[in-house]
Amino acid sequence: TQLLEQSPQFLSIQEGENLTVYCNSSSVFSSLQWYRQEPGEGPVLLVTVVTGGEVKKLKRLTFQFGDARKDSSLHITAAQPGDTGLYLCAGTLPNDYKLSFGAGTTVTVRA
Amino acid sequence: DVKVTQSSRYLVKRTGEKVFLECVQDMDHENMFWYRQDPGLGLRLIYFSYDVKMKEKGDIPEGYSVSREKKERFSLILESASTNQTSMYLCASSLTRGRTEAFFGQGTRLTVV
Repeated sequence: TQLLEQSPQFLSIQEGENLTVYCNSSSVFSSLQWYRQEPGEGPVLLVTVVTGGEVKKLKRLTFQFGDARKDSSLHITAAQPGDTGLYLCAGTLPNDYKLSFGAGTTVTVRA
Repeated sequence: DVKVTQSSRYLVKRTGEKVFLECVQDMDHENMFWYRQDPGLGLRLIYFSYDVKMKEKGDIPEGYSVSREKKERFSLILESASTNQTSMYLCASSLTRGRTEAFFGQGTRLTVV
């Protein structure tokens, strides 16, 4: 059983559409991170959120940390083919320093 | 930029062989990690280290061991490779205990035949 559950597992949309990826847990995290991974490469950090209710924006990407610090979401506005990839959420439990990863959401944006 | 380098992109080994996967980071990070990645399972932690010569088991350590003789280098050892260890192996580092942002290598695709 994974500590972080991501949904959906796969998402295929047309260029210009919006999408949201969810990351949920029953545990409280001291911080939560989102990574993007392209085929044949390692994951690359997109953002870290640490405060309950925090919202961070990175161009067309909006990240939200739940008030109770148990969940997070990633919203992409007007998706482009370059947004295609595997999106992973990862969290750190209090008093810990290693990351627990979700299973990932594969996003495909069709031109 | 932090650079984490894994020694091989692709490896093919025979069942029963001893396999070494090497990882080097160039930013003086304290923490280093080895994960394996399998479809639908995400990244699972094998071993990690928070200091030279220190190591701790992750979630799936069976069949693996690690070595950290120098701060910048973290090696993963498959004592006797088996076909169920065919996977993508990812090395990562992070700055300190309080800074968990991970920087990953490019991965090693290991196939055990």
